[in-house]
Amino acid sequence: NAGVTQTPKFQVLKTGQSMTLQCAQDMNHEYMSWYRQDPGMGLRLIHYSVGAGITDQGEVPNGYNVSRSTTEDFPLRLLSAAPSQTSVYFCASSWDSYGYTFGSGTRLTVV
Amino acid sequence: AQRVTQPEKLLSVFKGAPVELKCNYSYSGSPELFWYVQYSRQRLQLLLRHISRESIKGFTADLNKGETSFHLKKPFAQEEDSAMYYCALKRYGGSQGNLIFGKGTKLSVKP
Repeated sequence: NAGVTQTPKFQVLKTGQSMTLQCAQDMNHEYMSWYRQDPGMGLRLIHYSVGAGITDQGEVPNGYNVSRSTTEDFPLRLLSAAPSQTSVYFCASSWDSYGYTFGSGTRLTVV
Repeated sequence: AQRVTQPEKLLSVFKGAPVELKCNYSYSGSPELFWYVQYSRQRLQLLLRHISRESIKGFTADLNKGETSFHLKKPFAQEEDSAMYYCALKRYGGSQGNLIFGKGTKLSVKP
């Protein structure tokens, strides 16, 4: 039972490049979310999903896209990376929207 | 508006001293509150939720609706408690089911 798996762990992008952060869970959780963690800002919700085929925006969705074609996977796409997107990204899942299980994070630097 | 406030960015105590990490929330209904812990460069882990009234690793937290607080307490701090602690409130309305996080308090327990 791997829980929530995020890849890659580290990534450096140039401004304007695009990439996809992967997130997979093997707990059959319906709820999945993406957060970004910045110093002094706590965690802010980017996008979330309440089930396969259903996604919605969180607090800071601009510059990011998501899709949820299966229950297990919830990738986050950066369309055109900007330095302001330098952050640590966490994916989380839950079966009851109560206690979320978090992945280990992706540390992204945009230069 | 729903909001979580953690007034202390950093809390430093000596080993064996009592610890209280403050959390105040803003929500007019019945809140559902959580404490998450993040050890150095690790994923966030659910520490406790108010609905289950658990005691995990010696930590407890009581919901005080009158003071709109959910402070985290431990009678005798240990060095291994050093970590980042986040208070979180379950979101209602838009982005329902997701969590609103405070900005976090870094706990440092000195030997």
